[in-house]
Amino acid sequence: EAGVVQSPRYKIIEKKQPVAFWCNPISGHNTLYWYLQNLGQGPELLIRYENEEAVDDSQLPKDRFSAERLKGVDSTLKIQPAELGDSAVYLCASSRGPHEQFFGPGTRLTVL
Amino acid sequence: SQQGEEDPQALSIQEGENATMNCSYKTSINNLQWYRQNSGRGLVHLILIRSNEREKHSGRLRVTLDTSKKSSSLLITASRAADTASYFCATVPIQGAQKLVFGQGTRLTINP
Repeated sequence: EAGVVQSPRYKIIEKKQPVAFWCNPISGHNTLYWYLQNLGQGPELLIRYENEEAVDDSQLPKDRFSAERLKGVDSTLKIQPAELGDSAVYLCASSRGPHEQFFGPGTRLTVL
Repeated sequence: SQQGEEDPQALSIQEGENATMNCSYKTSINNLQWYRQNSGRGLVHLILIRSNEREKHSGRLRVTLDTSKKSSSLLITASRAADTASYFCATVPIQGAQKLVFGQGTRLTINP
């Protein structure tokens, strides 16, 4: 079974530029999560999807962050414009139910 | 807003010794999970313990849960160099549906 796929693995951009991350969850997993992980910290949830619906986006900074999961499969997380403080690892995870989550390798973003 | 506090933040032991990590949390939970993260990788689910369980085993892993103290421990027996990683506890609050709330993690180093 293929795992959660994320791309790119690394991204370096200048501040104020836009950036997008892509995630393909495990086949059959209806629930998809985007997390932010700062260095030395645990992941923090940004948004959770049940199929196409964003059911928890309370921690997503909506002034600059957006996400979509149009067909209920893969998902894109966008930041526009990026700020220095956005430098972090962005993790995508998926699950079939309310228990074990499967994580992708993450995208390491550096904003200069 | 991370619920879990993990102790110690870093642990260094010799190969073959046992490693114990502790996690405390603040609100009532549905279940508690432990994840491992190797450097530069995504998180891998290790074990889940439900709120009505007190102890669970999986291979060299032993997890305990004390809901009265809102705490959990992860014991890794007969440690190996490959166990070097960061370990995170994550709770699913009773009020939080499928939301995982992570602690800050314990950085475990196994010395050969």
